[in-house]
Amino acid sequence: GAGVSQTPSNKVTEKGKYVELRCDPISGHTALYWYRQSLGQGPEFLIYFQGTGAADDSGLPNDRFFAVRPEGSVSTLKIQRTERGDSAVYLCASPGLREPYEQYFGPGTRLTVT
Amino acid sequence: GESVGLHLPTLSVQEGDNSIINCAYSNSASDYFIWYKQESGKGPQFIIDIRSNMDKRQGQRVTVLLNKTVKHLSLQIAATQPGDSAVYFCAETRGGRRALTFGSGTRLQVQP
Repeated sequence: GAGVSQTPSNKVTEKGKYVELRCDPISGHTALYWYRQSLGQGPEFLIYFQGTGAADDSGLPNDRFFAVRPEGSVSTLKIQRTERGDSAVYLCASPGLREPYEQYFGPGTRLTVT
Repeated sequence: GESVGLHLPTLSVQEGDNSIINCAYSNSASDYFIWYKQESGKGPQFIIDIRSNMDKRQGQRVTVLLNKTVKHLSLQIAATQPGDSAVYFCAETRGGRRALTFGSGTRLQVQP
């Protein structure tokens, strides 16, 4: 596709529930990034995929968070036993073509845990 | 600890004036920097980047300056327009690490 898309755009869930957030990256890119942005803050890195494998998952806050990218394209971020502190905008990014570190972000999924 | 921070949380400028948004970073090993613009309800939008082997880079109406001696980065926007109103973030990385570290942002308000 022309850009990064994320679904759903908004998700409201109850504390303790399980959620899945989807990212459709720019086609053809082997790298994919997930970030989390709390209100009034800059994005915080969660995980980086190179192909189907997680090359760097050092930003995942705890074992309730997990991400997959089984075919090296679409990725799903999974959060178990959600907590109110998980409420944030979850952003996905694809790399650019010119520079390996430049990243282009999708619109994000706003997660609200009640 | 390692951080990327911003000097001013809000900057208000008149339409047509030049804007300067500043950013300080703490890790001298940082070797790649990006400026992003984020409008309400949208993801961060790439503006311009610079590597640590450069001290200046220009784009369309924007210039990024890097002063490694004092670990300072700035974004200059020429002839600021109402459409430039947004939150601006600087981000950095180092040593080939793909994860970007973002600052907390500066809100730019353009007064007509």
